[in-house]
Amino acid sequence: GAVVSQHPSWVICKSGTSVKIECRSLDFQATTMFWYRQFPKQSLMLMATSNEGSKATYEQGVEKDKFLINHASLTLSTLTVTSAHPEDSSFYICSATRTGGDTQYFGPGTRLTVL
Amino acid sequence: TQLLEQSPQFLSIQEGENLTVYCNSSSVFSSLQWYRQEPGEGPVLLVTVVTGGEVKKLKRLTFQFGDARKDSSLHITAAQPGDTGLYLCAGGSSGNTPLVFGKGTRLSVIA
Repeated sequence: GAVVSQHPSWVICKSGTSVKIECRSLDFQATTMFWYRQFPKQSLMLMATSNEGSKATYEQGVEKDKFLINHASLTLSTLTVTSAHPEDSSFYICSATRTGGDTQYFGPGTRLTVL
Repeated sequence: TQLLEQSPQFLSIQEGENLTVYCNSSSVFSSLQWYRQEPGEGPVLLVTVVTGGEVKKLKRLTFQFGDARKDSSLHITAAQPGDTGLYLCAGGSSGNTPLVFGKGTRLSVIA
């Protein structure tokens, strides 16, 4: 199989706090992981590409200082939303590709609500 | 910039009907993936097609990759309420580059 997990599955936080979301590939090594956000009834919007051992590549319009990405191992990438505000409330989804492969496997998503 | 145009955006049909979802682009992709997503969950991979003209079947779902690898279609035969969900097509170039997603087709099958 190719299982990707995310933790937490949902989180509610106060405005101004930081939230960390973990993305793990459980049964394969993933050189590359991707982070998306999805607004209600819309498609996925790519935020950044995370490569193990190097800096993430952010899409245009995504603030790298606000959305910190760390990909310290071949099975774990983290997304930290710093100083979260209500407009950051969204569904965050990660995906991972096997090393040498081109199919992306998605995590179950994390619902972030900022009060 | 690579774009994938997915149509229709919304589709509401009666149980037992057939339907086709289209995914078109002016760009060539090395692979085309179809996902299904239910509310509050991540997308689940249905199929990956990589060869021009390739046809894959998954029970009542038939996927086709265009000869030029620029377009794809998903055909569902005798749709059931359990087929309800958001269907996403995504074009891939290589393992380390992001997929290009269509905007999705929201399917509702009414019993």
